[in-house]
Amino acid sequence: AQSVTQLDSHVSVSEGTPVLLRCNYSSSYSPSLFWYVQHPNKGLQLLLKYTSAATLVKGINGFEAEFKKSETSFHLTKPSAHMSDAAEYFCVVSYFNKFYFGSGTKLNVKP
Amino acid sequence: SAVISQKPSRDICQRGTSLTIQCQVDSQVTMMFWYRQQPGQSLTLIATANQGSEATYESGFVIDKFPISRPNLTFSTLTVSNMSPEDSSIYLCSVVGDNYGYTFGSGTRLTVV
Repeated sequence: AQSVTQLDSHVSVSEGTPVLLRCNYSSSYSPSLFWYVQHPNKGLQLLLKYTSAATLVKGINGFEAEFKKSETSFHLTKPSAHMSDAAEYFCVVSYFNKFYFGSGTKLNVKP
Repeated sequence: SAVISQKPSRDICQRGTSLTIQCQVDSQVTMMFWYRQQPGQSLTLIATANQGSEATYESGFVIDKFPISRPNLTFSTLTVSNMSPEDSSIYLCSVVGDNYGYTFGSGTRLTVV
């Protein structure tokens, strides 16, 4: 069975400080993993994806994620938060092209 | 990436009625999926829309409640039948193409009153 656990439902950081959004996955197969962002009343936007190439994946807007098979983790990071990063972030595992979403992490960025 | 047109973008419906949501893609796609995002929650896969055959439903979803059609490689519909307020959600279609990966539609925001 495929599943994703996002360990924090809410994360609050100050502008200019690092962001860490945690994600652990469970997959019977070599997974494809994604991070999506959803701004309020907006659609889903792909941040980055891992598909068994380099374990450190760079995405848009300065985000990156590292695939750690030994820890079954795919945490999302950004060195310096910006106010525009405030949104909800979803970690997703893909199995035969079907997406299984984590419960989401709401990121709040304080000025 | 593919361009998806999803209609309607939003609707308010009476309980007991049905609503059909359309998903039109600007190119032929291998796979199409339907998702639901209930208020304040994450997305859940409803079913895979199979061209020329019956849709494949995930656990907890049934054809009588969410009939799906996929008459060709660019179009699919999802019907939400006999609606109740618990069906109030955003419904999204997603496609996978051979050349561009995954794309989500902008969603249909459904409110059942």
